[in-house]
Amino acid sequence: KNQVEQSPQSLIILEGKNCTLQCNYTVSPFSNLRWYKQDTGRGPVSLTIMTFSENTKSNGRYTATLDADTKQSSLHITASQLSDSASYICVVSVVGGGNKLTFGTGTQLKVEL
Amino acid sequence: DGGITQSPKYLFRKEGQNVTLSCEQNLNHDAMYWYRQDPGQGLRLIYYSQIVNDFQKGDIAEGYSVSREKKESFPLTVTSAQKNPTAFYLCASTITGDSSYEQYFGPGTRLTVT
Repeated sequence: KNQVEQSPQSLIILEGKNCTLQCNYTVSPFSNLRWYKQDTGRGPVSLTIMTFSENTKSNGRYTATLDADTKQSSLHITASQLSDSASYICVVSVVGGGNKLTFGTGTQLKVEL
Repeated sequence: DGGITQSPKYLFRKEGQNVTLSCEQNLNHDAMYWYRQDPGQGLRLIYYSQIVNDFQKGDIAEGYSVSREKKESFPLTVTSAQKNPTAFYLCASTITGDSSYEQYFGPGTRLTVT
């Protein structure tokens, strides 16, 4: 069964600190992996999308890495801000799947003063 | 939220009533999707449509129905047959059904059935 698992489930950090979120997947055949940010009560917004051949991709203070051999990805947030408080969702798509996506349950990040 | 609108943002219904959630996009996207989000769970696919007048069941289609009469619109009806309809519903769209393309999400509708 295709699955996406994220850790930790929740995380609290101080403003200005860095953090790393993890994602492991068993989806096959793999097409691409995406990280979304979802504010409470809002729709998810895309941060990065990586294909099989990409190892890293950045979007401002967000940097995603992908190891297709071990089927692991991470999202690193640098110099966190209060506005980074949100749920971060790892999403994997399957080749030829009609863009059907498998979603992780998300990591709930809270940034505090 | 891009060019995808969902209305209303909050919806309350009595048990046994059907209710229709609206989703409209002005992105000229061919493919549209409906997801359901419950606390502690990943988004789950209800229905998707890759072209006008065609749609397919997702993983949890029971108790739901859709139509795709126009490219811009993909309404979702939650019927009385859906046993646990209270949830946050998200609509998404993408240029085509190819998995290499980004999915853009609407702001969501929170449905509460009592």
